[in-house]
Amino acid sequence: DAGITQSPRHKVTETGTPVTLRCHQTENHRYMYWYRQDPGHGLRLIHYSYGVKDTDKGEVSDGYSVSRSKTEDFLLTLESATSSQTSVYFCAISGTEDQPQHFGDGTRLSIL
Amino acid sequence: KQEVTQIPAALSVPEGENLVLNCSFTDSAIYNLQWFRQDPGKGLTSLLLIQSSQREQTSGRLNASLDKSSGRSTLYIAASQPGDSATYLCAVSIYNNNDMRFGAGTRLTVKP
Repeated sequence: DAGITQSPRHKVTETGTPVTLRCHQTENHRYMYWYRQDPGHGLRLIHYSYGVKDTDKGEVSDGYSVSRSKTEDFLLTLESATSSQTSVYFCAISGTEDQPQHFGDGTRLSIL
Repeated sequence: KQEVTQIPAALSVPEGENLVLNCSFTDSAIYNLQWFRQDPGKGLTSLLLIQSSQREQTSGRLNASLDKSSGRSTLYIAASQPGDSATYLCAVSIYNNNDMRFGAGTRLTVKP
């Protein structure tokens, strides 16, 4: 398995609280991605990074921010969590934008 | 906007049967198409990637075909085994893998 670690694996929090999810890789890959997976919607891209401090928005970026201060870490932040952000969040990495992505095992986030 | 559909949402077959999973997409101007496997509680694993200039790709018992003009792809699994039980997702890239659009997946159960 590609060296991708997502933390935490599970989290329950309340509406209005800030939440940060972490993705850590040991592959030294340039590209890192955050997706959310909801029933009936497949996976949808939230944000991605193409290098340290270089990020771009995906299909469903509203309400989310990201940061990448080191090659190995990509953080996803929900500044003020809402119930609609209850989902399973996946991190993925790839060496180039043409190579298949390798996925982490996900973080299940519940916002009450 | 590119939309990806996978029908059926669930499929159950007896062990040893050959089967076909379907994926359709609305815009034929694609960069590539990928098939992924997802086991419960896990991330996605890339199975096959077909470039827009290709018609099919094979890996072991798996064969994926692509017909851009009709907006369809199929994943053929030969001699199915219980270990093939998983959810299979297809994803279409428009310009590169930074903009993949996923289908909701087909949950496959192979009964011993």
